[in-house]
Amino acid sequence: GENVEQHPSTLSVQEGDSAVIKCTYSDSASNYFPWYKQELGKRPQLIIDIRSNVGEKKDQRIAVTLNKTAKHFSLHITETQPEDSAVYFCAANGGSQGNLIFGKGTKLSVKP
Amino acid sequence: EPEVTQTPSHQVTQMGQEVILRCVPISNHLYFYWYRQILGQKVEFLVSFYNNEISEKSEIFDDQFSVERPDGSNFTLKIRSTKLEDSAMYFCASSVEGAVVKLFFGSGTQLSVL
Repeated sequence: GENVEQHPSTLSVQEGDSAVIKCTYSDSASNYFPWYKQELGKRPQLIIDIRSNVGEKKDQRIAVTLNKTAKHFSLHITETQPEDSAVYFCAANGGSQGNLIFGKGTKLSVKP
Repeated sequence: EPEVTQTPSHQVTQMGQEVILRCVPISNHLYFYWYRQILGQKVEFLVSFYNNEISEKSEIFDDQFSVERPDGSNFTLKIRSTKLEDSAMYFCASSVEGAVVKLFFGSGTQLSVL
């Protein structure tokens, strides 16, 4: 089945800097790759997603890139703000019904 | 914006007891899921449900677990005889589509097994 690896597990940046989180997946049949942000004690919230027919997608300060050949995808956050501090999870769809398989998460801390 | 709702928000139970976690998915969604998250760890897939039957389940979802859609709005997860290691946050999720899913998560039920 699908396996998703995520790095780094923790990331600390200064406000205004960029943050990059990387994920790899194992199942070449996966074709949907969302990113979720989870604040402490709250539900995961979808922040951006990308499908396998697209190489890059951007939404304001957030962008995601996908390399299907290498089976990896990355989240880029520019001009980070303290409110970006959270745990970020990447995921890939697996199985016949596309249930999501999550990475282990990256705890992002943005220092003012 | 429509939301997936879950009750209760916290559930404390004794080991060996049965618990039922309840969810109301978004009304026009057709695919329903349960995930769990042990404190500080990743979100893990348990089961997916479509057209009134289980579509897929993980190895975590053993004979102690069951799901049901008892009416047109509720989706429940039952744990028959809870174990200490069942303590986790349980998230319900729903989506309109299946294979290329945009999941909407509920706020979770924190289950503590003593």
